Amino acid sequence: QVQLQESGPGLVKPSQTLSLTCTVTGASINNGGHYWSWIRQHPGKGLEWIGFIYYSGNTYYSPSLKSRVTMSLDTSKNQFTLTLTSLTVADTAVYSCARSVSFFGNAFDIWGQGKMVTVSS
Amino acid sequence: EIVLTQSPGTLSLSPGERATLSCRASQNMNYAYLAWYQHKPGQAPRLLVYGASNTATGFPDRFSGSGSGTDFTLTISRLEPEDFAVYYCQYYDNSHWTFGQGTKVEVK
Repeated sequence: QVQLQESGPGLVKPSQTLSLTCTVTGASINNGGHYWSWIRQHPGKGLEWIGFIYYSGNTYYSPSLKSRVTMSLDTSKNQFTLTLTSLTVADTAVYSCARSVSFFGNAFDIWGQGKMVTVSS
Repeated sequence: EIVLTQSPGTLSLSPGERATLSCRASQNMNYAYLAWYQHKPGQAPRLLVYGASNTATGFPDRFSGSGSGTDFTLTISRLEPEDFAVYYCQYYDNSHWTFGQGTKVEVK
């Protein structure tokens, strides 16, 4: 059974950098058929795709966040990470990692439970 | 970049009624990359429909997806108490994923 679990700080100060990690169990992030994404949901709002990383290390980010986002892989730990810089209160959201699979038309078939991140001084 | 507009924003219905949710795109979509998700408070979203019309494992056949081009629909034939949730459509295109703003199906 494939599971994803987010970890990282729940409270970050404005202007600081957020780093979140997604640990994958039950599947290898080296599998070429999968994309590994980060998605967030602002309080009371809809879902916003942040970006993805492929097993090769290739990344693609949402144009609206591209200047502040970096994603990376740690294949030895079967993890991938999100780094978001220059935080503002507008970055307060639930951050989720998710897997998408080509079989499902690249839809997100597995999600983590989500990590609430509050940006506040 | 494709923009997905879901309507209505909120659908107030009673158990047993039929729910029809719309997802309209700003340009033509390849149906193979259109998905729907069910999202309940405090839970992770669940993939409900992929490829516009394929219901994911674990969902009953009262859920169905249809559509083509710019107009896609999610239908719940007879609402059960556990179906009240927020539903999102999502499209993949050229290494980019886009979500609609969601439709909340609430108890009338």
